[in-house]
Amino acid sequence: GESVGLHLPTLSVQEGDNSIINCAYSNSASDYFIWYKQESGKGPQFIIDIRSNMDKRQGQRVTVLLNKTVKHLSLQIAATQPGDSAVYFCAENGAGNQFYFGTGTSLTVIP
Amino acid sequence: DAGITQSPRHKVTETGTPVTLRCHQTENHRYMYWYRQDPGHGLRLIHYSYGVKDTDKGEVSDGYSVSRSKTEDFLLTLESATSSQTSVYFCAISGQGGRDYGYTFGSGTRLTVV
Repeated sequence: GESVGLHLPTLSVQEGDNSIINCAYSNSASDYFIWYKQESGKGPQFIIDIRSNMDKRQGQRVTVLLNKTVKHLSLQIAATQPGDSAVYFCAENGAGNQFYFGTGTSLTVIP
Repeated sequence: DAGITQSPRHKVTETGTPVTLRCHQTENHRYMYWYRQDPGHGLRLIHYSYGVKDTDKGEVSDGYSVSRSKTEDFLLTLESATSSQTSVYFCAISGQGGRDYGYTFGSGTRLTVV
């Protein structure tokens, strides 16, 4: 999962397996969440979002789960592919309509 | 990234010199943002703009200024660069303040202050 430490959490998965990336958010009043993907040398790219009135949202090969009780988000990637290798981080929309970004998890897909 | 470009992509500058980074968008979005990204930290907001000539500070604004004289351009200036400002800088845009699909980010500017 994500942390504010100096080292980026890492996750290695075999191609074709499912990946689960976790994120703990900080503000219980946050009501909108986004997962971003950032490939090396590029800017973050929107993957999927979820609002606090939902527990689950599905996209193409991705699912986001929201547990407001423990302030936890997860991103599930089905049938992980080499092109999924990147840093993934969550963002929460909290006070002042600002977004706060996690430090990210580095996903490596092993062919 | 479509609709948003940053320049330059890379820059090396000396301590104490002024530096200006440019963000240009073709989406006619109201909101524009400057973030910095450093190891061990999430993206941190430097300044943002909610319209032409309307700007406000973010959480790490010290040592930075911004200007937005037209909708499509948002400039970030380091008046006197310091080594602590070595970072990757990202510009972002949004139409509704980000609550619809978040922000669209540029490709970033890698700035090294020596």
